[in-house]
Amino acid sequence: AQSVTQPDIHITVSEGASLELRCNYSYGATPYLFWYVQSPGQGLQLLLKYFSGDTLVQGIKGFEAEFKRSQSSFNLRKPSVHWSDAAEYFCAVGESTGFQKLVFGTGTRLLVSP
Amino acid sequence: GAVVSQHPSRVICKSGTSVKIECRSLDFQATTMFWYRQFPKQSLMLMATSNEGSKATYEQGVEKDKFLINHASLTLSTLTVTSAHPEDSSFYICSAVGMGETQYFGPGTRLLVL
Repeated sequence: AQSVTQPDIHITVSEGASLELRCNYSYGATPYLFWYVQSPGQGLQLLLKYFSGDTLVQGIKGFEAEFKRSQSSFNLRKPSVHWSDAAEYFCAVGESTGFQKLVFGTGTRLLVSP
Repeated sequence: GAVVSQHPSRVICKSGTSVKIECRSLDFQATTMFWYRQFPKQSLMLMATSNEGSKATYEQGVEKDKFLINHASLTLSTLTVTSAHPEDSSFYICSAVGMGETQYFGPGTRLLVL
């Protein structure tokens, strides 16, 4: 069965500093990977997704993620964090590009300090 | 584009009553919608897959008689929590599959059962 691990429950980053959120997955075949962001009391917004091809994926709001098969990882990065990036970030894995069921990690809460 | 709404955004009800939550895709048609449940500081757990014109598919451990799902049109799915109890209090989020077979999430409904 698929599973997703986000080892960091909380991360605090200074505004303007770089960010990396970790995500490791367990899946037997080629995974379909997603990063979502959730602001307090809100639904989830898709930041980026990886299905195939270039392993470095660009997303919205200046985020990118790199798929590393050898490490079973799909870490999310941003070179310079803004205060508005403070939110909960979820990594998810899906079985296919179809109407897939997503398995979510437990999330990482990002705090941005002045 | 690709906006999903939920109504109500929050609801408080007495134990034993039923509550209906609506999920609408506002600017696209969705033959498939998903219902998730999120406990505080935890990840999203898929409850069921809702397919327009057919019965919903429930995940293991989810009581289909308690969580009634109806997907009557290509833009509307409803989740009814029947005979709600305090342990049903949670944040319920729906998603609709849109273009590119991407899931677009609603803003969520917070249910509090007294």
